[in-house]
Amino acid sequence: AQSVAQPEDQVNVAEGNPLTVKCTYSVSGNPYLFWYVQYPNRGLQFLLKYITGDNLVKGSYGFEAEFNKSQTSFHLKKPSALVSDSALYFCAVRVPARGSTLGRLYFGRGTQLTVWP
Amino acid sequence: ETGVTQTPRHLVMGMTNKKSLKCEQHLGHNAMYWYKQSAKKPLELMFVYNFKEQTENNSVPSRFSPECPNSSHLFLHLHTLQPEDSALYLCASSPTLTSSGELFFGEGSRLTVL
Repeated sequence: AQSVAQPEDQVNVAEGNPLTVKCTYSVSGNPYLFWYVQYPNRGLQFLLKYITGDNLVKGSYGFEAEFNKSQTSFHLKKPSALVSDSALYFCAVRVPARGSTLGRLYFGRGTQLTVWP
Repeated sequence: ETGVTQTPRHLVMGMTNKKSLKCEQHLGHNAMYWYKQSAKKPLELMFVYNFKEQTENNSVPSRFSPECPNSSHLFLHLHTLQPEDSALYLCASSPTLTSSGELFFGEGSRLTVL
């Protein structure tokens, strides 16, 4: 079965410190990996994605993520957190469709990031 | 602004009412989705449409009835809902079902069922 895990419901970090939001996945095939952010009462906004190539991908607002195939992980990182980064973060995985199989997007449960001033 | 517009942003309805949520995308995408986001629960995929055809119904109760008249518009018709249906309903679109592109989400419709 395909699944995405975000092992931490909450991550708290002081402003200026580095942050990491963890994501691991279990899918068959070569996945496409995504991170989204959601601010209160808003929709999900795309941050970055890994399709192929360099394992370190850079995205919006200074975020980056590292794809680790052996550990099946795709952790989100930022060198220096801002209070405005406080939001709900979702990891998602899509397996490219084969034949009649749909390329469904699987979401993690989300991690609430709080950055303290 | 993501190119996906949802209306209304907020809706309060009684259990016997009939209402509809609307989603419109101006991105030229061919796949559209409805998701339900409840407090303390993971995002739930409800319906998927590809080129106006429904390709997935994730065991959604019949009191939710989707409609996709064309690739740019998606509706969710609501009838005799229950209080537990109160949630944020998110519409999304993507170029195709199988592309490596990301989903583009609307801002959501916050539904409260009294």
